Amino acid sequence: DGGITQSPKYLFRKEGQNVTLSCEQNLNHDAMYWYRQDPGQGLRLIYYSQIVNDFQKGDIAEGYSVSREKKESFPLTVTSAQKNPTAFYLCASSSLAGGLNEQFFGPGTRLTVL
Amino acid sequence: DAKTTQPPSMDCAEGRAANLPCNHSTISGNEYVYWYRQIHSQGPQYIIHGLKNNETNEMASLIITEDRKSSTLILPHATLRDTAVYYCIVRVVVAGAQKLVFGQGTRLTINP
Repeated sequence: DGGITQSPKYLFRKEGQNVTLSCEQNLNHDAMYWYRQDPGQGLRLIYYSQIVNDFQKGDIAEGYSVSREKKESFPLTVTSAQKNPTAFYLCASSSLAGGLNEQFFGPGTRLTVL
Repeated sequence: DAKTTQPPSMDCAEGRAANLPCNHSTISGNEYVYWYRQIHSQGPQYIIHGLKNNETNEMASLIITEDRKSSTLILPHATLRDTAVYYCIVRVVVAGAQKLVFGQGTRLTINP
């Protein structure tokens, strides 16, 4: 099955610890994205990447870091510098061919920092 | 990007057509209208998009007014599984990655 996987579905961490969220896709998509969603709100873009070894900050990148060493993988690290890390994190990917670039989303990881 | 305005919530009876409005009065000529939906605690799902012509696919129809200042997403025969938050997004199509800007959307509840 083609798709995007995020693991784990629920994650708990103590305050002050860095934590890395996994995102893998087997859709052969060039672009990958990380969004954050707070309760009752829409999604906000953290980082995105159009190509391996390159990525750009989104609207709320502070306190987060990413890497794109492989086309299939785009892990997100939530650092201790992120002031309010408890949220629902969504990864997405899209093809850059053909123009309209529909984004496909993973199931999300709900991070709770205690 | 143009701003969109949607009602915060709507109800619809099962089996009836659900019509979800979206205002985008500042849309420019090269901006597309996209619709996504998000079922509780899942990732958003793409539904449909359009520029100026009406569009239909297996999930829904998109009606865009002639002046392009508003649009309506139509779910022709709503089922309980269509209960979700629906997001209307206006976006310029450019080469490369797209930064989708999600508002708060419309929470659609389908009632039995």
